[in-house]
Amino acid sequence: EAGVTQSPTHLIKTRGQQATLRCSPISGHTSVYWYQQALGLGLQFLLWYDEGEERNRGNFPPRFSGRQFPNYSSELNVNALELEDSALYLCASSRRTGGVETQYFGPGTRLLVL
Amino acid sequence: DAKTTQPTSMDCAEGRAANLPCNHSTISGNEYVYWYRQIHSQGPQYIIHGLKNNETNEMASLIITEDRKSSTLILPHATLRDTAVYYCIVRAQGSQGNLIFGKGTKLSVKP
Repeated sequence: EAGVTQSPTHLIKTRGQQATLRCSPISGHTSVYWYQQALGLGLQFLLWYDEGEERNRGNFPPRFSGRQFPNYSSELNVNALELEDSALYLCASSRRTGGVETQYFGPGTRLLVL
Repeated sequence: DAKTTQPTSMDCAEGRAANLPCNHSTISGNEYVYWYRQIHSQGPQYIIHGLKNNETNEMASLIITEDRKSSTLILPHATLRDTAVYYCIVRAQGSQGNLIFGKGTKLSVKP
């Protein structure tokens, strides 16, 4: 079974530009989560999508947005990039089995804002 | 979800068992204990989860005390590739939504 995939693996942008990150969940998983991990810091929750709808978002400004497509893949968009947006962006997918939800993570996209 | 407490760091000799403790004294009856690990600059990797019985899979064993207030993740024969930050997370059955990662335990496996 293929795991969660993310693209690109690395992305370099300049301040003010927009970045688009993509995530393909494990087959059969309907939920996608996005997390940000800045260098040396913990994982911070960004966004949660389930069945095409945004279910929850973390404490991030509106320039962080995304969507989930009918095939459950997801896109994270970051507008008006700032230097502090440089981080590892992680996507996780899940499905509920017997009332228990386990999230599986992708390898991440490392975004560098210059 | 209940709060967890883990040691900041631990060392283990290669080939020996690594025993990583986690305290979750406020755990509720329907809350599971999950373990993830994050090898440097990679995505977190799911290891194992359990409710009250001990669990074992190809990666590790999870021992949960009878009162469920603490647990231990056991890597039976640690290798250098097991060097990572290990996170213990408590999560209610039926719960969805984001995982809350603490600081975890930095395990260093030494030759």
